[in-house]
Amino acid sequence: QITLKESGPTLMKPTQTLTLTCTFSGFSLSTSGVGVGWIRQSPGKALEWLAVIFWSDDKRYSPSLKSRLTITKDTSKNQVVLTMSNMDPVDTATYYCAHRLGADVTGGRFDSWGQGTLVTVSS
Amino acid sequence: QSVLTQPPSVSGAPGQRVTISCTGSSSNIGTGYDVQWYQQVPGTAPKFLISANNNRPLGVPDRFSGSKSGTSASLAITGLQAEDEADYYCQSYDTSLSGWVFGGGTKLTVL
Repeated sequence: QITLKESGPTLMKPTQTLTLTCTFSGFSLSTSGVGVGWIRQSPGKALEWLAVIFWSDDKRYSPSLKSRLTITKDTSKNQVVLTMSNMDPVDTATYYCAHRLGADVTGGRFDSWGQGTLVTVSS
Repeated sequence: QSVLTQPPSVSGAPGQRVTISCTGSSSNIGTGYDVQWYQQVPGTAPKFLISANNNRPLGVPDRFSGSKSGTSASLAITGLQAEDEADYYCQSYDTSLSGWVFGGGTKLTVL
């Protein structure tokens, strides 16, 4: 059974850097085809993909946020970390991590999701 | 503005059939990549529901079906039940963006 759980601060100030950790179980990020992604959802809005890291350490970022995002993995700890710099009130959202199932570093689906963590950005 | 376009809302009475459309372009749905559908009950995390080629997790009833044609995809729900009331999102991979894209979401109301 795959489980994922997000952790990190719930309240941020503008310009600060957000660090979120996704701790997972039930799969290994060393297995070919496996990835872990981050997706966020602003209140009342749609899902927005942010970043994905793969078993190969290949990484993909949303073009609109690429300059602000960094995704890393610690395979031994079963963790993936996302950092987002220069936080702004518009970044207030629930941040989800999810297991990406696919054959390679493109396509596929997010077939298991964490419960999400709400991050509020306010001065 | 989402890359994939969905109707904001659909509704139907219990037992009826509803469809939710998802329109994209030649760089996402129009490619060979599959389209995925997610169900999100308000206040909870999204859940993978079904893909356009009808891959579905265990536990998802066959009342849900997916399809794709050209640059569009559809989710059909037959025998509508009260528990189906949720938000539904489509998702694909975009080769121009080299990333994953979602639709704007569709709120399904069971009358």
